[in-house]
Amino acid sequence: NAGVMQNPRHLVRRRGQEARLRCSPMKGHSHVYWYRQLPEEGLKFMVYLQKENIIDESGMPKERFSAEFPKEGPSILRIQQVVRGDSAAYFCASSLVGDTFYFGPGTRLTVL
Amino acid sequence: QKEVEQNSGPLSVPEGAIASLNCTYSDRGSQSFFWYRQYSGKSPELIMSIYSNGDKEDGRFTAQLNKASQYVSLLIRDSQPSDSATYLCAAGTGGGAGTYKYIFGTGTRLKVLA
Repeated sequence: NAGVMQNPRHLVRRRGQEARLRCSPMKGHSHVYWYRQLPEEGLKFMVYLQKENIIDESGMPKERFSAEFPKEGPSILRIQQVVRGDSAAYFCASSLVGDTFYFGPGTRLTVL
Repeated sequence: QKEVEQNSGPLSVPEGAIASLNCTYSDRGSQSFFWYRQYSGKSPELIMSIYSNGDKEDGRFTAQLNKASQYVSLLIRDSQPSDSATYLCAAGTGGGAGTYKYIFGTGTRLKVLA
């Protein structure tokens, strides 16, 4: 019974490049959440998605960031034209319906 | 702005003592509450969930919820050095039509001294 899977686990990008982070929820889970954690800080909500729908993107920066959860395949968090301030750990979590939610191992993004 | 607040610590307790971690939340509509433990460089792992007023025990851990005071706590009995980590409190709120959102506190760093 696989848990939440994220890849890559570590991603290094140069300023101006694109970063693409993937998340496969637990089997049967249709709710996906993305959180960002800066060094020594708490988890900040970014976006909440269900299959093919963005439910809440109030935590997403207005520019350069986008997320999707297609009918088939993983959820993807995309960051265009990365800057050094985007360096952080990005965690994905999934839940059944309003129940306990589980985190993936995270993707650690480093922008050079 | 819906918030979850925790004391950042560090909270230091001797080995074998009871560690008490506290959390308050601002949204009275919150219906579910969670405690996660996060070791440095790792992802958060679920310790306890609680939905009703009162206490819920699981091994050395007891979660307490008081909705009238908008207060959640976590007690760790017989604290061990391996319990040293950051503990995150989260509150979940239903957004209607089967949607839910979870807000985290910034976490309390616990140090258990051997």
